[in-house]
Amino acid sequence: GNSVTQMEGPVTLSEEAFLTINCTYTATGYPSLFWYVQYPGEGLQLLLKATKADDKGSNKGFEATYRKETTSFHLEKGSVQVSDSAVYFCALSQKAGNTGKLIFGQGTTLQVKP
Amino acid sequence: KAGVTQTPRYLIKTRGQQVTLSCSPISGHRSVSWYQQTPGQGLQFLFEYFSETQRNKGNFPGRFSGRQFSNSRSEMNVSTLELGDSALYLCASSLEPGVYEQYFGPGTRLTVT
Repeated sequence: GNSVTQMEGPVTLSEEAFLTINCTYTATGYPSLFWYVQYPGEGLQLLLKATKADDKGSNKGFEATYRKETTSFHLEKGSVQVSDSAVYFCALSQKAGNTGKLIFGQGTTLQVKP
Repeated sequence: KAGVTQTPRYLIKTRGQQVTLSCSPISGHRSVSWYQQTPGQGLQFLFEYFSETQRNKGNFPGRFSGRQFSNSRSEMNVSTLELGDSALYLCASSLEPGVYEQYFGPGTRLTVT
């Protein structure tokens, strides 16, 4: 079945450090891929998305490229801030069946220290 | 434009009781999905509704049910509550199922004692 695997957390970085959160997926066909972020006490916010191979999603300094050959969608940011501290979720959605059902990874907690 | 709203935000129930959670989607959105978030199982898909019809259902027991109204508002119900049902229940809305972005509400925190 379809699944998403994220790197284990927590990830602790100093402000202005480079961030990478690894995400790999297993799916049939060509799913859409997403990164969501969850701040304490809040719901999920869509951070970025990519709907086909080699697409690059970007938002607020974060980027991720849809790599079909490695079934990966790693999240990167060149310089993190304390305000980026949150839980990050990688997710996929199958285009077939016209459903929006999201399958999530287990989440990676990011803590950025000043 | 107002975001997805969920009521109540917090709920405490006793084992064996039932509970109803409500979700109002973003104006114009006709698709609503529900997810359960727990520390152990993470985020798991519960249901998806579009035009008052359940289009998809996750792997949850029959105690979990839902519905969608003609104004796209949705409710989910859990009967005979168990301790393991304690979770954050998240609702998401989108224009239609499929490729459209989903917007999440703040969730309802259910505690079963």
